[in-house]
Amino acid sequence: EVQLVQSGAELKKPGESLKISCKGSGYNFPAYWIVWVRQMPGKGLEWMGIFYPGDSDTRYSPSFQGQVTFSADKSISTAYLQWSSLKASDTAIYYCARQVAYSGYMAYWGQGTLVTVSS
Amino acid sequence: EIVLTQSPGTLSLSPGERATLSCRASQSVSSNYLAWYQQKPGQAPRLLIYGASSRATGIPDRFSGSGSGTDFTLTISRLEPEDFAVYYCQQYGSSPRTFGQGTKLEIK
Repeated sequence: EVQLVQSGAELKKPGESLKISCKGSGYNFPAYWIVWVRQMPGKGLEWMGIFYPGDSDTRYSPSFQGQVTFSADKSISTAYLQWSSLKASDTAIYYCARQVAYSGYMAYWGQGTLVTVSS
Repeated sequence: EIVLTQSPGTLSLSPGERATLSCRASQSVSSNYLAWYQQKPGQAPRLLIYGASSRATGIPDRFSGSGSGTDFTLTISRLEPEDFAVYYCQQYGSSPRTFGQGTKLEIK
């Protein structure tokens, strides 16, 4: 069974750094693109970009380029989303999802990680 | 970037009724690479439809997708109580992938 399990909720202050995780299981982790999606409070879904754990190929949406960094550790089947300096506007739920092979839609989703940035 | 506009913003219907949700793209979606997701409060989105009209695994046949080019539709033939949720379309024919802003389907 394919599963994506994300790390727990975070409460951070503006300017702090953060790395959240997404652990895949039940499939060949390096072989499938991971998608990151943001959902701000009470708002819709935003496609942040994709990351291929096999070779670290990365594509960011222009809206998120330079704002976040995707990475992964293949040895533990875990993908990461990180910020170097958080802003209050980064407060949101962040989902990881697995893209279906040779496509761009997502059949498997993590449960989401709530990131709250507040002074 | 392709902008997806969903309408209506909110749809109020009763169980047993038919729901028709629209997703319009600012330019043609390549190969009709259009997906629909359902999201309930406190849950992650769930894939319903891909390729504009193919149902994902385990999705009841009361859900159907149609359309091509710039105009797409999600139809729920007879609403069940569990269908009341927010629905999003997503295009994956070009980068960056984009989502519509969502349609909230609420009980009348």
